Amino acid sequence: DAGVTQSPTHLIKTRGQQVTLRCSPKSGHDTVSWYQQALGQGPQFIFQYYEEEERQRGNFPDRFSGHQFPNYSSELNVNALLLGDSALYLCASSYGQGLQETQYFGPGTRLLVL
Amino acid sequence: QQQVKQSPQSLIVQKGGIPIINCAYENTAFDYFPWYQQFPGKGPALLIAIRPDVSEKKEGRFTISFNKSAKQFSLHIMDSQPGDSATYFCAASTTGNQFYFGTGTSLTVIP
Repeated sequence: DAGVTQSPTHLIKTRGQQVTLRCSPKSGHDTVSWYQQALGQGPQFIFQYYEEEERQRGNFPDRFSGHQFPNYSSELNVNALLLGDSALYLCASSYGQGLQETQYFGPGTRLLVL
Repeated sequence: QQQVKQSPQSLIVQKGGIPIINCAYENTAFDYFPWYQQFPGKGPALLIAIRPDVSEKKEGRFTISFNKSAKQFSLHIMDSQPGDSATYFCAASTTGNQFYFGTGTSLTVIP
C-alpha cells in the first residue's frame, strides 16, 4: 500500500515564476492538506481540500492556490514566486474532513527560489 | 504569533538517557496534541498523541505528560537509542481544524 506520494522531489525556480506541486494521497484517504516548512521551522498549514473544495485556509496570500481532483489527488500552485517561498512543501492526507489525527505526511517537495 | 512554543531547540543525550521535550500553548480550545518525528529527507510521522482528558499516555518507549492547568505538555523518550536521533515536533489543534506546530527539537542520541 503506497503512502502519500509527492512530485517532484526537488525544484528550482526564479523569482516571479509560477510552480505546481502534486500530491497523491494514501489509499483510502479523501482529504489533502498542504503545509509549508521553512528550514529549521515546523510545518505551517496552507490549506485543506475535501470533496474537491478548499475547506480551510491558513495565513497564506492568494498567490497560493490549489485544486483537488475526483481521484482525491491534489495540486498546490504558487504564483509570482518570492525568495521567501523557498521551503519544503508537505502534503498530508487523511480520511474524512476533521479526522486529522489520522493524518499521514508525504516526503515533501523542496522548492528553491533564486 | 507562535501558537505552540517548543523547547529546547536541540538536545544531545547518551544512549539509554531520557530526553524530555516541552511544549506550551495558549489556546484553551485546543483538544488534540500530537507529537511527530521527522528524519532528514522525510515528512513528519505521527509518534503519539494525547487529548486533554488524560494526564499521561504511554506507547512503547514514548510517553506524553499533559498538564492542562499549566497549558503544557511534554514528550519523554525512555531508554533512548541512536535510531531515535531525529527532529521532533509537537502540535496542537481543535477537532476538525488546522494543526499548529512547534518549531522543532533536534535530538541526537550518542552511542
